[in-house]
Amino acid sequence: GEDVEQSLFLSVREGDSSVINCTYTDSSSTYLYWYKQEPGAGLQLLTYIFSNMDMKQDQRLTVLLNKKDKHLSLRIADTQTGDSAIYFCAENNQGGKLIFGQGTELSVKP
Amino acid sequence: DTAVSQTPKYLVTQMGNDKSIKCEQNLGHDTMYWYKQDSKKFLKIMFSYNNKELIINETVPNRFSPKSPDKAHLNLHINSLELGDSAVYFCASSEQSRGLHSPLHFGNGTRLTVT
Repeated sequence: GEDVEQSLFLSVREGDSSVINCTYTDSSSTYLYWYKQEPGAGLQLLTYIFSNMDMKQDQRLTVLLNKKDKHLSLRIADTQTGDSAIYFCAENNQGGKLIFGQGTELSVKP
Repeated sequence: DTAVSQTPKYLVTQMGNDKSIKCEQNLGHDTMYWYKQDSKKFLKIMFSYNNKELIINETVPNRFSPKSPDKAHLNLHINSLELGDSAVYFCASSEQSRGLHSPLHFGNGTRLTVT
C-alpha cells in the first residue's frame, strides 16, 4: 500500500537543529522528496534523495535515508525563524504519483 | 515570470453553484496535476494530465471535471458545489509523469470556501 507518515508538530528554539522524521511504505520508491509550505503559499521543493543514497547534504539541510526501515529524515542546522513552515515528505511511486505525508508543522521560537 | 499560476487565489461561493479554477504553467512541462489540501493540511492528488491526456483520475466525485486545452493549461470545473468541497486546491506540473525524478512545481493555491 501507499502510506507516508510524519509527526504533526515540532517546536525548536532558534539556533538549534531540527529533525523532521518520515516513514513510508512503498519500497519501490526511487526518489524521496522534502517540500516546504509557508503560510498562504504553495509547496516548494527543498531537497530530494535518490533511493540508493544514504545521505545528502545541501547547506543547512541534511537528508538521511534508511531504506531498510523505510525511514527518511530532514535535519535543519541552525534553525531560523524563517524556517517556520510545514514540511512535507513525499515518495515517488512506480505509478507516477507523488504521495505526500500529512506534513510536520515546524515552529521556531526566538 | 511565475512558473505555475492559478486563478483565482480566493473563491467564496454558495452551495449549489458551479465554479472554475484556472491553471497555467510556463515551464514547458508535459504533465499537470490538481491536488486538494484539506483543513488538516493533508494533500491528495485528484487528477493528472500528460500532454492533454488524462492519466490519473483518483476517486473524485464526477462533479469535478478537469479540462486541458493544451499542455500548458489545466482547468478545474466544479458543479453543484457542496460544503465539503471547501479546501485549498493546488495546481502543479512536472517534466514527465512517470520519470524517475520528476519533482512537482506547485502554484500558490486557490482557497475555495463554500457557504
